[in-house]
Amino acid sequence: QSVLTQPPSVSGAPGQRVTISCSGSSSNIGADYDVHWYQQLPGAAPKLLIYINTHRPSGVPDRFSGSKSDTSASLTISGLQAEDEADYYCQSYDRSLSGFYVFGTGTKVTVL
Amino acid sequence: QVQLVQSGAEVKKPGSSLKVSCKASGGAFSSYAFNWVRQAPGQGLEWMGAIISSLGPANYAQGLQGRVTITADESTRTVYMELSSLRSEDTAVYYCAREGYTYGFDFWGQGTLVTVSS
Repeated sequence: QSVLTQPPSVSGAPGQRVTISCSGSSSNIGADYDVHWYQQLPGAAPKLLIYINTHRPSGVPDRFSGSKSDTSASLTISGLQAEDEADYYCQSYDRSLSGFYVFGTGTKVTVL
Repeated sequence: QVQLVQSGAEVKKPGSSLKVSCKASGGAFSSYAFNWVRQAPGQGLEWMGAIISSLGPANYAQGLQGRVTITADESTRTVYMELSSLRSEDTAVYYCAREGYTYGFDFWGQGTLVTVSS
């Protein structure tokens, strides 16, 4: 069972903005550990989308942005496109006995 | 360009063991952490453990302690993940992933499907 909670699904029309939340606790995000985000297209390996809370790797469109506050983080897709339909996962470090690195529960983004 | 190439799909019997390989090309090897992540059918990502070959023994997720062993061979630039006492719940796609200096997993293998079935 993951210690980072995400909504199971979010949806939006092309061009709209959607936000995915990642809720943690004082043993992970709230302990000031960084959050990373991954996009997983159907049948493919995950791809790093956002690292260290807000940074985009080279090649990732600027419509993807990340933020972090207190015990949670968010991924925003501004100007949703059909190719953004995928699963999205947050990841952080957890200092409790439950693990070392932890992933969020995952969010399916559907483009209407 | 960094590439991680994993071994092929496997079918295993319950109670048996599994060994998946991940060969890295491009970039440095011994100074990076290589992680294993698995994904059961229709489920999310689960971190299993990681190794930095220059620093010695691996770290493992608590729920898999005692069943998983991660090793690295610097001479062949290959990382291995062994999982013992397999059960049906271990049926999953297993990924290796390099942890970049930003601590995000910046390069991933193509995944290895493991099916545990009698």
